[in-house]
Amino acid sequence: DVKVTQSSRYLVKRTGEKVFLECVQDMDHENMFWYRQDPGLGLRLIYFSYDVKMKEKGDIPEGYSVSREKKERFSLILESASTNQTSMYLCASTHVRGGGGEDNEQFFGPGTRLTVL
Amino acid sequence: AQSVTQPDIHITVSEGASLELRCNYSYGATPYLFWYVQSPGQGLQLLLKYFSGDTLVQGIKGFEAEFKRSQSSFNLRKPSVHWSDAAEYFCAVLIYGNKLVFGAGTILRVKS
Repeated sequence: DVKVTQSSRYLVKRTGEKVFLECVQDMDHENMFWYRQDPGLGLRLIYFSYDVKMKEKGDIPEGYSVSREKKERFSLILESASTNQTSMYLCASTHVRGGGGEDNEQFFGPGTRLTVL
Repeated sequence: AQSVTQPDIHITVSEGASLELRCNYSYGATPYLFWYVQSPGQGLQLLLKYFSGDTLVQGIKGFEAEFKRSQSSFNLRKPSVHWSDAAEYFCAVLIYGNKLVFGAGTILRVKS
């Protein structure tokens, strides 16, 4: 089974702190994604990565950055946390870039609920 | 622009009753469509997916969905709901670059 793990289930930080959210997948997937989930808005894509050291902005990248130094690990960084970044953060991974077929399924981690005070 | 609409924010059904959750998408090409379920405090679990072929797709936990191109819909159904089905359900469409666009979600409540 594919396993996607996230470093923390719950996190409480203060405004202005630098926050790291870690995600690790164990299936050698090329693609990894970070989403934030807010009530009534569904999941929105923050950043994604097709390969090591590659990253692309999603729909809501402002206030975030990412790092992918190893294929299995994708980190989301809040340089200076703000209260409007209080949310649930979900990481996902999938196998193939582009194209079609069964490999397009995204596998999700359990999520990190971040509260910024 | 690509989008997914789930018109029902909340749905309440009685245990044992049938269920239909609505999903409409907007996407220019042939869509790849997904339904995910999220139980409280959990990540997303894939229920079923449509890539091509038979427009009626069977999934896990007794769920099925029907792709209707003429209506741009991919509605999720279950003939008899169990209390454990209470969760939030998300419809999504795959766009270029393996990215998913999600609907806002439908929260299902099951009453006994």
